[in-house]
Amino acid sequence: NAGVTQTPKFQVLKTGQSMTLQCAQDMNHNSMYWYRQDPGMGLRLIYYSASEGTTDKGEVPNGYNVSRLNKREFSLRLESAAPSQTSVYFCASRVTQGTDTQYFGPGTRLTVL
Amino acid sequence: GENVEQHPSTLSVQEGDSAVIKCTYSDSASNYFPWYKQELGKRPQLIIDIRSNVGEKKDQRIAVTLNKTAKHFSLHITETQPEDSAVYFCAADSGGGADGLTFGKGTHLIIQP
Repeated sequence: NAGVTQTPKFQVLKTGQSMTLQCAQDMNHNSMYWYRQDPGMGLRLIYYSASEGTTDKGEVPNGYNVSRLNKREFSLRLESAAPSQTSVYFCASRVTQGTDTQYFGPGTRLTVL
Repeated sequence: GENVEQHPSTLSVQEGDSAVIKCTYSDSASNYFPWYKQELGKRPQLIIDIRSNVGEKKDQRIAVTLNKTAKHFSLHITETQPEDSAVYFCAADSGGGADGLTFGKGTHLIIQP
């Protein structure tokens, strides 16, 4: 049981390049999330998917798109990376919306030059 | 949307003493309040959580209290140990039909030997 996994662990992009961050969970969770973490800012919600087939914007969605490929996988895409998107990205999942424990993946450290 | 304030940003205590971290939230509809511990370069890990129908919860050396009227909740760590050194984040569920957690900006807890 791997829990929540993310790929890649590290990535360096040039301004304007695109990339997709992958996330998968093997806990049969319905809800999945993408957060970004910047120094001194805590974690901020980018997008979430309450269940397979649905996605919604969080606090900071600009510059990102997401795809809930199936119940296990939730990807985050940067179409045209900007230096302001340099951050650590965490995927998370939980059984369902509301008061269940949210489990985090190991994170992807992204640098945009 | 929800707003979570966390204090202090840095807390230094002697080993064996107690540590208290405080958070306030803005959305009266929020009803789930987890606390996460994050070590350098690692993912956030849940250490304790509380739901709005409970005023206090304890787990060994860790306790959380919730005052819904005042919209604040606190983390208490007793008999601190070197391994308690980390960054701690409080969070609140977004409430109002939206999903995902809103995090405080974190408290860097330093345990002095």
